[in-house]
Parts: sequence; C-alpha cells; structure tokens
Amino acid sequence: KNQVEQSPQSLIILEGKNCTLQCNYTVSPFSNLRWYKQDTGRGPVSLTIMTFSENTKSNGRYTATLDADTKQSSLHITASQLSDSASYICVVSRTGNQFYFGTGTSLTVIP
Amino acid sequence: SAVISQKPSRDICQRGTSLTIQCQVDSQVTMMFWYRQQPGQSLTLIATANQGSEATYESGFVIDKFPISRPNLTFSTLTVSNMSPEDSSIYLCSVTGQAYHEQYFGPGTRLTVT
Repeated sequence: KNQVEQSPQSLIILEGKNCTLQCNYTVSPFSNLRWYKQDTGRGPVSLTIMTFSENTKSNGRYTATLDADTKQSSLHITASQLSDSASYICVVSRTGNQFYFGTGTSLTVIP
Repeated sequence: SAVISQKPSRDICQRGTSLTIQCQVDSQVTMMFWYRQQPGQSLTLIATANQGSEATYESGFVIDKFPISRPNLTFSTLTVSNMSPEDSSIYLCSVTGQAYHEQYFGPGTRLTVT
C-alpha cells in the first residue's frame, strides 16, 4: 500500500534553534518527493523537490535529504524563526502523476 | 510557476445548502485538482478535472455531491452540495506546472457548515 508517514506530529522549538522533520514512505514506483510549508489558513507552498538521484536539496534555511534505498526523507530547518511556524507536508509522487500526502508536522517556534 | 486564486476565501453555510467554489489560474493548464483538508488532517484528493471531459473522482467522492465544471483551461468550479457539518473543511484547488513534478496550490476556501 502506498503511504507517507511523517514524524513528529507536532513540535515546539525555541527561536534560533534547529530542528529536523522526518518522512517515511512506501510509495512505488517512486517519482519524486516534495516538502511543502502550509501556513494556517493558506494553501501549501513548495519548499523543495527531489528526484530519485538527488540526496540533498537546499532552499535557504531549509535543507531536505532523501535516501531512496531506505525510503526516508528529512527536512532540516536551521536557525528557526517565528515565521517558520506552520505545517510541513511531505508529498511523494508515483510515476503517472499520482500524489501521496503525509499527515504533516505542525511546527511552532516560540520566542 | 502558476498563480491560483480561489473564491470565496471562507464561508459559513447552513446544513442542506450548496456552495460553489471558484478557482482561477493565471496560465493555461491541462489538469486541475480539487482537494479537501479536514481539520487536523492532510490533503485528500477529491477529483481531477480536465478541460473538455468529465472529472475523475477518487474513491469516496461522487459527482452528485461534488459536481465540478471545467469550462476552459484557466478556470474550474467545485460545488459542495447538500452540505452537512461533516463537509466543514478547507477546499484547495491545485494545478501541475510545466515540469511534471511541480504542483501548485491555491490559498484554499475554508468552509464551515452549521
């Protein structure tokens, strides 16, 4: 069964600290993996996209990693800011334009 | 990238009524998607709408409840019919970009059914 699981479900960190979010998937055949940031009341916005051959991709303070062998991905946020408070969603695509969504990690950054 | 707008941004509706949500894209796209995001949940695909053909619905969603129109390559509507409180969700319109793995989302329509 094609599934995407994210952990932790929620996370609270102090401003300026780093954090890492996890995504495990069983989607096959794998096409690509994306991380989205969804602010409260808004639509998801893409942070990174990785294909099978990519291990790491950065977007400012966001760095995503992908291990296609173990079917795991992580999103690392460096020097967190209050504006990083949001839900982070991992989405894995199957060949043929099928998208599978994780349940998201709710991140709260406190001053 | 694609810029997507949705109307209304939010609404409060009474049980038994219907609401039509509009989605406008700033460029021509072949495929448009409608998602539902229930409180505290991730996104669930309702249907895929291609211009000039009937929408394709995912398991658990039917045309009578969620009729979709796709009159041209930049516009689509989703109607939530005969609403009940269980329909209270955020409804999101989405399109894929020129690169097949790009996916863009609208800001969402927050629906509350009382």
